[in-house]
Amino acid sequence: GAGVSQSPSNKVTEKGKDVELRCDPISGHTALYWYRQSLGQGLEFLIYFQGNSAPDKSGLPSDRFSAERTGGSVSTLTIQRTQQEDSAVYLCASSPDHYEQYFGPGTRLTVT
Amino acid sequence: RKEVEQDPGPFNVPEGATVAFNCTYSNSASQSFFWYRQDCRKEPKLLMSVYSSGNEDGRFTAQLNRASQYISLLIRDSKLSDSATYLCVVNPRYNFNKFYFGSGTKLNVKP
Repeated sequence: GAGVSQSPSNKVTEKGKDVELRCDPISGHTALYWYRQSLGQGLEFLIYFQGNSAPDKSGLPSDRFSAERTGGSVSTLTIQRTQQEDSAVYLCASSPDHYEQYFGPGTRLTVT
Repeated sequence: RKEVEQDPGPFNVPEGATVAFNCTYSNSASQSFFWYRQDCRKEPKLLMSVYSSGNEDGRFTAQLNRASQYISLLIRDSKLSDSATYLCVVNPRYNFNKFYFGSGTKLNVKP
């Protein structure tokens, strides 16, 4: 079956611009996570959605970052006024049971 | 202090060797433990969970030591295809929404 998909796969943007990253989770998975991974680093938790509950936003690094999940399915991560330190791979994962996470291929963001 | 710490490696081993990685975690209230595998420029994929009693899946064995707060992964009879980065993941009891990932241990299996 279809896995988690993310778009775009690569995004190059100028400092100060806004970007939107999209995640399509596996159908039926109620949990959705966003992480970012900088070169040679582990995954940094950003935000977690579970069903219709309020999201856990405790990992968002600043108020320039926001995310939403519409209809319990597709999620969008928005970064406003991008900075060079935002350059990283942004990974989305979904899970049916808060156990195994299925990751998408990621969006590689480069801020110039 | 990081929630999860791993030796970044790389571990360079010949085919057929046995190799072991450790991972330490800082929060004694941690509840669930996992090993993920990440190939170069790819997404992480679950390798195995780590149970209190230890568990084995083919050539892979995972162990948990709660007293010393570390988990281990043992790979026997290494294959070239085992070359990857192995990520240790911890889920704390106080916030089961969060999964803390280590930076990974890189393994290179050479012919």
